[in-house]
Amino acid sequence: GESVGLHLPTLSVQEGDNSIINCAYSNSASDYFIWYKQESGKGPQFIIDIRSNMDKRQGQRVTVLLNKTVKHLSLQIAATQPGDSAVYFCAETGSDKLIFGTGTRLQVFP
Amino acid sequence: GAVVSQHPSRVICKSGTSVKIECRSLDFQATTMFWYRQFPKQSLMLMATSNEGSKATYEQGVEKDKFLINHASLTLSTLTVTSAHPEDSSFYICSARAHRSYEQYFGPGTRLTVT
Repeated sequence: GESVGLHLPTLSVQEGDNSIINCAYSNSASDYFIWYKQESGKGPQFIIDIRSNMDKRQGQRVTVLLNKTVKHLSLQIAATQPGDSAVYFCAETGSDKLIFGTGTRLQVFP
Repeated sequence: GAVVSQHPSRVICKSGTSVKIECRSLDFQATTMFWYRQFPKQSLMLMATSNEGSKATYEQGVEKDKFLINHASLTLSTLTVTSAHPEDSSFYICSARAHRSYEQYFGPGTRLTVT
């Protein structure tokens, strides 16, 4: 189950499997959403974004799905690799500021 | 893509001293820069937003006299942690955004340890 504060939710997947990371966003007025990957000791790295007038967007090995009805965002990673191991954050914005979600740690095992 | 650098990458200072962290946009002009703080195993929390040539806008609960932000040029913003205490130890991350752009480009972060 999930917890906040000192414990990030963790998703463990086997190398080669697909990963799905979920995020519930808070503001129904948000119109732009981004997924970031953060490796230990580094800043966030942009993965993919989506605007509120879309419900799906695909990149290389990644797909973002947006469900505005239930304020839910997901990131799908195909054929997960060891290099995908990191913490993933969703972020939303409808203004100047980005609001980050709590994050999910993805662990890839051989 | 757009590159943002931070200096130093890590710093250790004694309690009561001040520390300055620099954030630079290397290949674009950043009209807006953001400063975040991240505690271990937690998310990024926005501290303040700074627009070039203007005073920074601080988020609720962030002491503006303790965290001094200067954005004097379109490529440089600085965060000074004044009279640092151990509870200020954290990972400080900046981001930069070009004019009329939604996208923020993040720096690599600065690990501050106050002893």
